[in-house]
Amino acid sequence: KQEVTQIPAALSVPEGENLVLNCSFTDSAIYNLQWFRQDPGKGLTSLLLIQSSQREQTSGRLNASLDKSSGRSTLYIAASQPGDSATYLCAVITDSWGKLQFGAGTQVVVTP
Amino acid sequence: AAGVIQSPRHLIKEKRETATLKCYPIPRHDTVYWYQQGPGQDPQFLISFYEKMQSDKGSIPDRFSAQQFSDYHSELNMSSLELGDSALYFCASSRSGFTEAFFGQGTRLTVV
Repeated sequence: KQEVTQIPAALSVPEGENLVLNCSFTDSAIYNLQWFRQDPGKGLTSLLLIQSSQREQTSGRLNASLDKSSGRSTLYIAASQPGDSATYLCAVITDSWGKLQFGAGTQVVVTP
Repeated sequence: AAGVIQSPRHLIKEKRETATLKCYPIPRHDTVYWYQQGPGQDPQFLISFYEKMQSDKGSIPDRFSAQQFSDYHSELNMSSLELGDSALYFCASSRSGFTEAFFGQGTRLTVV
């Protein structure tokens, strides 16, 4: 059974520091991995999708890597800003219908 | 760009009542997903539809049912509501199961 884990559960950094968020999954047979951002009580905003054949994906200050064999993905956010404060969730797709299985998320606070 | 539209945004119901949540996917997206997110929890997959047919089923109670209509919008029907059904309900859509999933802003259901 696939399990998705995100460590740490919470993270606080001063503005300007780089953020490193970790996601691990137990079954390497995934189709894709997707990173989301969620503000309190709000919807999920898609940040990056990494296909299983890719090693990384970049969008602006965001960079996500994927190592399927070791069951890990890392989301890097460069030069963090207070507006980056949110919960970041990773999710894996393990079947052809696209069902997402989420980790519990990392709650990030960027202090001015 | 058009996003996933959910209605209503907030809903308050009494125990044993019925609720209907609506979802309008992004145009040309053929797959719709429903997720439930309880307080402090990660989203849990309920059910999905591909081209108006149920494609996958998760931990959806028998009291809940869903369907996708000819115009691709979907409805989640919830009957005999219980206090434990209070949660954020998200709809997501994608263009097939392997591509990026986009989420709506969610419906916050409160059962009193």
